Amino acid sequence: GQNIDQPTEMTATEGAIVQINCTYQTSGFNGLFWYQQHAGEAPTFLSYNVLDGLEEKGRFSSFLSRSKGYSYLLLKELQMKDSASYLCAVMDSNYQLIWGAGTKLIIKP
Amino acid sequence: NAGVTQTPKFQVLKTGQSMTLQCAQDMNHEYMSWYRQDPGMGLRLIHYSVGAGITDQGEVPNGYNVSRLKKQNFLLGLESAAPSQTSVYFCASSYTGGSGANVLTFGAGSRLTVL
Repeated sequence: GQNIDQPTEMTATEGAIVQINCTYQTSGFNGLFWYQQHAGEAPTFLSYNVLDGLEEKGRFSSFLSRSKGYSYLLLKELQMKDSASYLCAVMDSNYQLIWGAGTKLIIKP
Repeated sequence: NAGVTQTPKFQVLKTGQSMTLQCAQDMNHEYMSWYRQDPGMGLRLIHYSVGAGITDQGEVPNGYNVSRLKKQNFLLGLESAAPSQTSVYFCASSYTGGSGANVLTFGAGSRLTVL
């Protein structure tokens, strides 16, 4: 079967750095997405990786290793507004998205 | 720019009742989809559409039907609601479904409770 694993919850301090991991086992691979979802709101797109390596976008970076079936989202200079759930999703060989259950990130002052 | 608009935002149904969730997008997207989100689980695809008049089943289609008569609208119907359908429903759209960098734009969600 297809599977996406992410930690259920993480806690970090304002101003610090946090890394949210995502491991996957899917039928084929056509890219990996990270979405942010604030409580009670819609998911919003953060990043897309299809090749190995690091993609940087401001305070957020996303890394992919296809051989290891592994990605991480790195958030720097954490702000209180970064408190949210972070969803990892993989596009399989049929171009269907397989979603992880999400990681709830709690930022403490 | 409205983006993706879902109605209603909240709905309470009794078991056996029917209802329709409505989704409209103003971005000229070809691909539209309906997901449900339950605690502790990833988003699960119910049905999707790659264009007006074309719909297909996703991962969890049982108990739901869909209609896409116009490109901008995608309706999700529950014919006979069951408590297991209590969930938050999201409509999402994108330019195309069959490509890698296919970024979804989500609606605000519809919270459905079936008693």
